[in-house]
Amino acid sequence: KAGVTQTPRYLIKTRGQQVTLSCSPISGHRSVSWYQQTPGQGLQFLFEYFSETQRNKGNFPGRFSGRQFSNSRSEMNVSTLELGDSALYLCASSTYPGSSDTQYFGPGTRLTVL
Amino acid sequence: AQTVTQSQPEMSVQEAETVTLSCTYDTSENNYYLFWYKQPPSRQMILVIRQEAYKQQNATENRFSVNFQKAAKSFSLKISDSQLGDTAMYFCAFMVIQGAQKLVFGQGTRLTINP
Repeated sequence: KAGVTQTPRYLIKTRGQQVTLSCSPISGHRSVSWYQQTPGQGLQFLFEYFSETQRNKGNFPGRFSGRQFSNSRSEMNVSTLELGDSALYLCASSTYPGSSDTQYFGPGTRLTVL
Repeated sequence: AQTVTQSQPEMSVQEAETVTLSCTYDTSENNYYLFWYKQPPSRQMILVIRQEAYKQQNATENRFSVNFQKAAKSFSLKISDSQLGDTAMYFCAFMVIQGAQKLVFGQGTRLTINP
């Protein structure tokens, strides 16, 4: 079974631009969660999607948004990029919320904001 | 709110030695999972081991085992017969059962296995 895939793997943007990152979960997994990883703040939860609905959101400004499609693929969008948004963005999938299943991570998208 | 603390930012051991990574957490929840994830340099995060809080028996996966002390809110990872491929960042993580699919991570321990 193919793992979680994320595209693109690397991205360079300038301040003020916006960016869209994509995540395809493991086949059969319907829950997708997003995390931001930075050297200073570590790994922080961004949001969780299930059945095309955002179930939970972490403590991030409204510039961070996301969505999930009917095939469980998910995208996250960051508008008006700031230097501090430079990070590794990780997507993780699991079967469904509240299941005893584990979250499996993708390779991440490394975003650099100049 | 839950917090996870890993008090050892870096550790270094010789190949074939045994190493223990520490993790403590704070929560008012009674039903939760605890995880250890491994993130090798420039590679993706993979699950090492998982423990359900309602299970008294400590989880074991080959060379990896945990010491779960629920009352003390402690969850350490022991790696036996360490190998060069064990070199990685190790993250302890917590998730409430039946809650959000949200992992709360510790700051990580950078483990280096020396030949």
